[in-house]
Parts: sequence; C-alpha cells; structure tokens
Amino acid sequence: DVKVTQSSRYLVKRTGEKVFLECVQDMDHENMFWYRQDPGLGLRLIYFSYDVKMKEKGDIPEGYSVSREKKERFSLILESASTNQTSMYLCASSHGGEENEKLFFGSGTQLSVL
Amino acid sequence: AQSVTQPDIHITVSEGASLELRCNYSYGATPYLFWYVQSPGQGLQLLLKYFSGDTLVQGIKGFEAEFKRSQSSFNLRKPSVHWSDAAEYFCAVTGGGNKLTFGTGTQLKVEL
Repeated sequence: DVKVTQSSRYLVKRTGEKVFLECVQDMDHENMFWYRQDPGLGLRLIYFSYDVKMKEKGDIPEGYSVSREKKERFSLILESASTNQTSMYLCASSHGGEENEKLFFGSGTQLSVL
Repeated sequence: AQSVTQPDIHITVSEGASLELRCNYSYGATPYLFWYVQSPGQGLQLLLKYFSGDTLVQGIKGFEAEFKRSQSSFNLRKPSVHWSDAAEYFCAVTGGGNKLTFGTGTQLKVEL
C-alpha cells in the first residue's frame, strides 16, 4: 500500500516563527500536493509539484512556499507564521500517467499558531 | 473555473438505512469526478471515480455514484449504511490533470 507520512500530527508555533511541514511518500510518485483543510471550506490546494525541483502554485499560495529536493519528499514552509494559518494541513501524492488523479493522502498535521 | 457544491453539511441516518449524499459540479466540459472519505483523525481515501463510460460507478465499501450530466450531479449512494461509515465525505472534480477541486464536505453521522 502507498504510504504518505507527515512528520508531525500536532504542531504548535508562535506568530512570526518559520515553520516546516514535512511529507514523505514511499511509492515513487511523481506528483505531490499540499492542501489545507478548514471547517466549512473543504480542502484548498496550496502548492503542488510534478517533479523534483518543480513547483506550481495552487489556489491559495500566499504566505507559503515549498521545497522538493528529492522525489519522495515535499516540504511546506511558512516563512512567518500567522494566526490565520492555523489549520489542518494534508499532504498527498499521485502517480503520473493514467491514474494521476488518484490521490493518496497523509493523516494530516494540525497546526496551531498562537 | 471548476467548482463543487455539497449542499448538505451534516446528515444523520440510522444504521441499515439507505444513504444519498449530494454533489453538484460546475465544469465546462466532461469532468472527472471523485468521492473521497475521511475517517476521524485520518487522511482522505478514494471511494470511487468517474472518468467516462458507464454513468453508474461502483466503489469500495459498497458505495456507488451516478453521473448525471443534465443535472451536473454526481451523488453518492449506499443501500444500507453501517456504523463504520460515519465520516466526512468529499466530492471532487477535475478536467483532467491532477489539480482537483474539492467540495466543502458532508459529515455523516450514523445512529445505532
């Protein structure tokens, strides 16, 4: 089975801190994604990557950046955390090709910014 | 731009009863449609998908969904709900490529 692992289940940070959220997948997937999930808003795409060192903005990239130095790892960076970035963050991956729309999700990181 | 509407925020059904979760989409051409389920404390898991062909698609855990182009709908159904089906359900759409747009979700509660 595909496994998408997010490094932290819960994270508490202070306003202004630089925050790193890490995600690793073990199925050699080309595509990786970062979503945030908020009650009443569903999932919104922050950034995604089709390949190593490649990244594309999603629907809500402001205040975030990403890094993909290795195929299996996709990091989400909050350069200066703010309280409105308190949210559940979900990482996902998918295989390139015919089934590239089938996403495999991690269990999520609940980030609280105080 | 593509969008998805899930009009029901919460739904409660009794165990053994039938279930239908509504999903309406907006997309200019033939969409790719998905239903995902999120159990408490978990990530999302794909239940089923529609790409083309038969408009009634079968998924895992006994779920099915029907694509109705005339109504821009892709409703999820299950004939008999089990207590373990309590979760949040998300409908999603894409035009191809893997940039999915998700709905806001429907929280399903199952009464024993």
